[in-house]
Amino acid sequence: GEDVEQSLFLSVREGDSSVINCTYTDSSSTYLYWYKQEPGAGLQLLTYIFSNMDMKQDQRLTVLLNKKDKHLSLRIADTQTGDSAIYFCALDSNYQLIWGAGTKLIIKP
Amino acid sequence: NAGVTQTPKFQVLKTGQSMTLQCAQDMNHEYMSWYRQDPGMGLRLIHYSVGAGITDQGEVPNGYNVSRSTTEDFPLRLLSAAPSQTSVYFCASSYVTGGNTEAFFGQGTRLTVV
Repeated sequence: GEDVEQSLFLSVREGDSSVINCTYTDSSSTYLYWYKQEPGAGLQLLTYIFSNMDMKQDQRLTVLLNKKDKHLSLRIADTQTGDSAIYFCALDSNYQLIWGAGTKLIIKP
Repeated sequence: NAGVTQTPKFQVLKTGQSMTLQCAQDMNHEYMSWYRQDPGMGLRLIHYSVGAGITDQGEVPNGYNVSRSTTEDFPLRLLSAAPSQTSVYFCASSYVTGGNTEAFFGQGTRLTVV
């Protein structure tokens, strides 16, 4: 079945850019998603990209998709303490979402 | 807007006890699902439903039952709690439009089985 992999942790300094990476095995997904989970809360959709795009920018967020390498990334510019959360990559497959394990973003002052 | 409401927020059970986690959504979404979240393992799908009266098993269904008698409600039943079911449980509802699936999550239930 589909496999979605992410690193478990990423540590960055406040003000730097954060790049969270995700690799996957099944290339048939139409949409690829990034969800954010703040401490003690459920997940919320952060952004998504359509599979025929290679980049999407939304304010401080940039999503890059490399379909050849099956690699999705989320770049957060000027990382702030409020960005501290777990970020999940997800792909759609037959109306279900297949999830990565989540990357915990740790912000150092 | 209430969105997805899960209750309770916290629960402690003794091994062998049964209980029901409640989930309700007010967005008229057809698709609902239950996940468990364990450290380093992300979200694992327990059961899901594509509409009232229709349920199916996900990746880790053993020890759990679900029913979907209405579009709004999707309760998860633990039949005989085991320590391995200690986890954080999330209910989600979602809609699909133009192939785009957006999921809305409840706040989660932190369950400890002792």
